[in-house]
Amino acid sequence: AQKITQTQPGMFVQEKEAVTLDCTYDTSDPSYGLFWYKQPSSGEMIFLIYQGSYDQQNATEGRYSLNFQKARKSANLVISASQLGDSAMYFCAMREGITGGSYIPTFGRGTSLIVHP
Amino acid sequence: NAGVTQTPKFQVLKTGQSMTLQCAQDMNHNSMYWYRQDPGMGLRLIYYSASEGTTDKGEVPNGYNVSRLNKREFSLRLESAAPSQTSVYFCASRPGWREGGETQYFGPGTRLLVL
Repeated sequence: AQKITQTQPGMFVQEKEAVTLDCTYDTSDPSYGLFWYKQPSSGEMIFLIYQGSYDQQNATEGRYSLNFQKARKSANLVISASQLGDSAMYFCAMREGITGGSYIPTFGRGTSLIVHP
Repeated sequence: NAGVTQTPKFQVLKTGQSMTLQCAQDMNHNSMYWYRQDPGMGLRLIYYSASEGTTDKGEVPNGYNVSRLNKREFSLRLESAAPSQTSVYFCASRPGWREGGETQYFGPGTRLLVL
């Protein structure tokens, strides 16, 4: 079974609108971390946001927020006020294991986001 | 501060040839990782090194070897390249937990084509 599932191969959004990229995860470990990375067409991997399994509040970083629903095992990325430069591949990833233990991330297959003017 | 650097950026090999992909980081990070990215597959972990002097297999280690030369450098070797190893290879590093070690920092990638 996949540990990280991104069900939307592609998404389209109008500039200045908000968009939600879905991510569900599967783990029995009580301690884990969830990440979102952006990969523009130039190819580099850019870290966007992190959510720890014990964090009480949803993580936010500027226009990015992570909608963390622990019971549903979902960690959706919300981008507010989309910009043309947001067009890219977006990857959800998970790290399992206790802090200080092994850190082996698993990545989803990604969602391609295209922002229309 | 260059972050994570990878060489070469592009490489074309013939089947059976060998090569080493180089990775270096100047952030004094403990852990380093090698991933491959194939179309539609996301990133898959090949090998990682939790600290200087240690290496461990990831999800797809077959056909690869690694060396953690020192704290800065982590190389990936293909002894006998196969067309199935055509991919984009990313190196990443991560600080220790005491330094807020949740985030990986990625290099720019190496595009490898095996004919």
